[in-house]
Amino acid sequence: DAGVIQSPRHEVTEMGQEVTLRCKPISGHNSLFWYRQTMMRGLELLIYFNNNVPIDDSGMPEDRFSAKMPNASFSTLKIQPSEPRDSAVYFCASSFGRAAYQETQYFGPGTRLLVL
Amino acid sequence: GESVGLHLPTLSVQEGDNSIINCAYSNSASDYFIWYKQESGKGPQFIIDIRSNMDKRQGQRVTVLLNKTVKHLSLQIAATQPGDSAVYFCAENRGFQKLVFGTGTRLLVSP
Repeated sequence: DAGVIQSPRHEVTEMGQEVTLRCKPISGHNSLFWYRQTMMRGLELLIYFNNNVPIDDSGMPEDRFSAKMPNASFSTLKIQPSEPRDSAVYFCASSFGRAAYQETQYFGPGTRLLVL
Repeated sequence: GESVGLHLPTLSVQEGDNSIINCAYSNSASDYFIWYKQESGKGPQFIIDIRSNMDKRQGQRVTVLLNKTVKHLSLQIAATQPGDSAVYFCAENRGFQKLVFGTGTRLLVSP
């Protein structure tokens, strides 16, 4: 079974450039989550969607970050303009999203982003 | 000056020993807890979960214990193997599917 798919796996860019990270959730999952992992702050939830609708974006650092989910099988996280402090591993996760809570989230392999 | 990053506590064990990884959570209203394992270069992988109406749950070689009185969670791994070497995170559910992760514990298993 295919798990959560993320692309690219690695991204190196220069400060000021736009970065787009992509995620395909597990088929049949209705909730999708974007996380960021750094040594400084650990694993942080940025935003999550249920049935393609953003439910909580309180973790999004600032206006330079935006996320979309145009359909049930695709989501993007965009950083524009990127800054060196955005360097991190970005994970996408998905869950069935049918219950209000108590559901396991399954993580993708992550995108390692380095902003020079 | 440069900020100090997270310092992961490390548990070193010998192959075949039992391992116990501890986690303190902060929100007494959290009602669902999950343990994840993260190997180097990979995403967190689900190990076991427990609801707040339980105090113990067992899986294959793993047991999770929940003490709501002191807001403490532990993961016990029986007969630890080198393949168990990873960083282990506990996560608490703080409302509609919103998980908050702990800082993690690094488990090192020596053959």
